[in-house]
Amino acid sequence: EVQLVESGGGLVQPGGSLRLSCAASGFPFSDHYMDWVRQAPGMGLEWVGRIRNKDNSYSTEYAASVKGRFTISRDGSKNLLYLQMNSLKTEDTAVYYCTRVIPGSAFDSWGQGTMVTVSS
Amino acid sequence: DIQMTQSPSSLSASVGDRVTITCRASQGIRNDLGWYQQKPGRAPKRLVYAASSLQSGVPSRFSGSGSGTEFTLTISSLQPEDFATYYCLQYNSYPLTFGGGTKVEIK
Repeated sequence: EVQLVESGGGLVQPGGSLRLSCAASGFPFSDHYMDWVRQAPGMGLEWVGRIRNKDNSYSTEYAASVKGRFTISRDGSKNLLYLQMNSLKTEDTAVYYCTRVIPGSAFDSWGQGTMVTVSS
Repeated sequence: DIQMTQSPSSLSASVGDRVTITCRASQGIRNDLGWYQQKPGRAPKRLVYAASSLQSGVPSRFSGSGSGTEFTLTISSLQPEDFATYYCLQYNSYPLTFGGGTKVEIK
């Protein structure tokens, strides 16, 4: 069974940093692209970014709203996905989900999400 | 960026009704579209991928259709557990973009 479990959310001041983790199990983590998606309170879904697999050099893509501030990385030896968030803004307040990507069909599995609140 | 315009933004329907939700892409996306269902406080769940392929385990009352710029999600006979918010997602090109969502409420 595919399992994705996010952690690391919390309250942070504007301008601060936070690192989210996503523990993956039940599938060959290293083979899959992985994405982050977020949802601000009461709002819709927003794609944050992607990290490809080893065969594709772990290359990344980002939404314009986070590019230059957020960095996605992964540790294949630990089956962990990360989202490093720097220079946080109040508009980054959201539940952050990690998702597994299936080639040609986007996300088929989601974690339960972790809440990030950016506030002074 | 590809804009996904989803309609309606909300609807009221009764159990047993046929419900149709539409997504329009600002440019052609072939069939690179998925539909997701989200209930309050829960992560989204995929219903359909590749515009018309039903996710394993999803009831057959759900169906997707379309290609290019016009897509629909149909629920043939609405059940109590179907009251939720539905989102389309295009994955044809970066950045991936979602529709604004359709909240399906009980009439």
